[in-house]
Amino acid sequence: QKEVEQNSGPLSVPEGAIASLNCTYSDRGSQSFFWYRQYSGKSPELIMFIYSNGDKEDGRFTAQLNKASQYVSLLIRDSQPSDSATYLCAVKTSYDKVIFGPGTSLSVIP
Amino acid sequence: DAMVIQNPRYQVTQFGKPVTLSCSQTLNHNVMYWYQQKSSQAPKLLFHYYDKDFNNEADTPDNFQSRRPNTSFCFLDIRSPGLGDAAMYLCAASLAGGPLETQYFGPGTRLLVL
Repeated sequence: QKEVEQNSGPLSVPEGAIASLNCTYSDRGSQSFFWYRQYSGKSPELIMFIYSNGDKEDGRFTAQLNKASQYVSLLIRDSQPSDSATYLCAVKTSYDKVIFGPGTSLSVIP
Repeated sequence: DAMVIQNPRYQVTQFGKPVTLSCSQTLNHNVMYWYQQKSSQAPKLLFHYYDKDFNNEADTPDNFQSRRPNTSFCFLDIRSPGLGDAAMYLCAASLAGGPLETQYFGPGTRLLVL
C-alpha cells in the first residue's frame, strides 16, 4: 500500500462547479496535511494545511479531514479555468517525514 | 519578500559532466530539502538538512551529493549525470517544530542531459 494515494485523474469539471479532490494515507499517526497546487512546469504552491478533524475554509477552498477514515479532501467552489493544475496532497507522518501523493490533474472547462 | 530562490532555472549538461544546482532562502528556515520531480510524478525527496545535519534518503543514488555551507544556501551536485537524471529539481525550506511544518518551494531548476 502506498503511503499517500490520490486519484490520478484527469478530473474535469465545468466552470462554476465544485471540484472535489481526495487523498488517503496509510500512517494512522500522521499529524498534518497539506494541499499544494502545481501548474505545468512550475513548482508546488501551498494552498492550505489542516491538522484537526473537520473542515477548514479559505475563500473558495475547503479542506476536510477525517483522521478515523484516514482521508483528507479539498473542495474548490466556483471552479475557474485558472484552477486547472495538478493538486498534490502531502502528509506529515508520525515519523516526521512529509510524503507527497502522486497528484490529481484538474481541468476546469470554460 | 521572503522566498526560496533557485539558480539556474534551466540547466543543460552533457552525459557524465558534473553539474551543480543552487538554492538560497531568505526565510531563515532551518530545514532545507532537495526533491527530484519527473513528468507526471510526485516530488521525490533526495535528501534534507535539519540545520547542519544531513539526512540522505535510502534510495537516493550515490551520484547525488549535497552541501549546505550555511543556513541560507544549499547545493545539489550531480557527479555524473545520466539521461535518467533529466528532471525538475525542487528546493524547499521549512521551519522545524510542530505539526505545521510547511514546506515552501523554490521555482525549480529543469535539468536536461544531452
